[in-house]
Amino acid sequence: NAGVTQTPKFRILKIGQSMTLQCAQDMNHNYMYWYRQDPGMGLKLIYYSVGAGITDKGEVPNGYNVSRSTTEDFPLRLELAAPSQTSVYFCASSRAVESTDTQYFGPGTRLTVL
Amino acid sequence: GNSVTQMEGPVTLSEEAFLTINCTYTATGYPSLFWYVQYPGEGLQLLLKATKADDKGSNKGFEATYRKETTSFHLEKGSVQVSDSAVYFCALSEATGNQFYFGTGTSLTVIP
Repeated sequence: NAGVTQTPKFRILKIGQSMTLQCAQDMNHNYMYWYRQDPGMGLKLIYYSVGAGITDKGEVPNGYNVSRSTTEDFPLRLELAAPSQTSVYFCASSRAVESTDTQYFGPGTRLTVL
Repeated sequence: GNSVTQMEGPVTLSEEAFLTINCTYTATGYPSLFWYVQYPGEGLQLLLKATKADDKGSNKGFEATYRKETTSFHLEKGSVQVSDSAVYFCALSEATGNQFYFGTGTSLTVIP
């Protein structure tokens, strides 16, 4: 049981490039989330999904896109990378959406845009 | 709106010292409250949680009590160890459960 996995661990992009951050979970969780963590700041929710085929915006969605074609996978797409997107990105999943449920986090992807 | 404010860091303590990391929150309704811990190079892991007023969450010697009257959820441990060195995040989950709100994190270093 690997939990939540993310690839790559590190990436450097040039301004205007695009990339996809991969996230997968093997816990059969319906709910998945993408956060970004800026230095000295808490985590901010980018997008979330309540099941395959269903996604919704979080607090900071601009510049990102997501898709959820399977229960296991929830990739995050950056179309035109900007320096403001330099951050650490965390994917998370949870069994259900009740406020008492725990979110399980991946190890993160550190992205630098130059 | 919902928000979490936690104690600024970094915090440096000697082994076996008492730890308190303050956390206060603003929320509509009745949120659940969490403490997550992030060890170097890893993702966040749940440390403890409390889902209603006056509940006490506890794990690995850490404790926090959900205080509705002071809107607080302070993290405490009686005797810290070097292995407790990490970043600690306070978080709340609103009653509808769709979103978590995290504090800025408090870095703890425990020296032998």
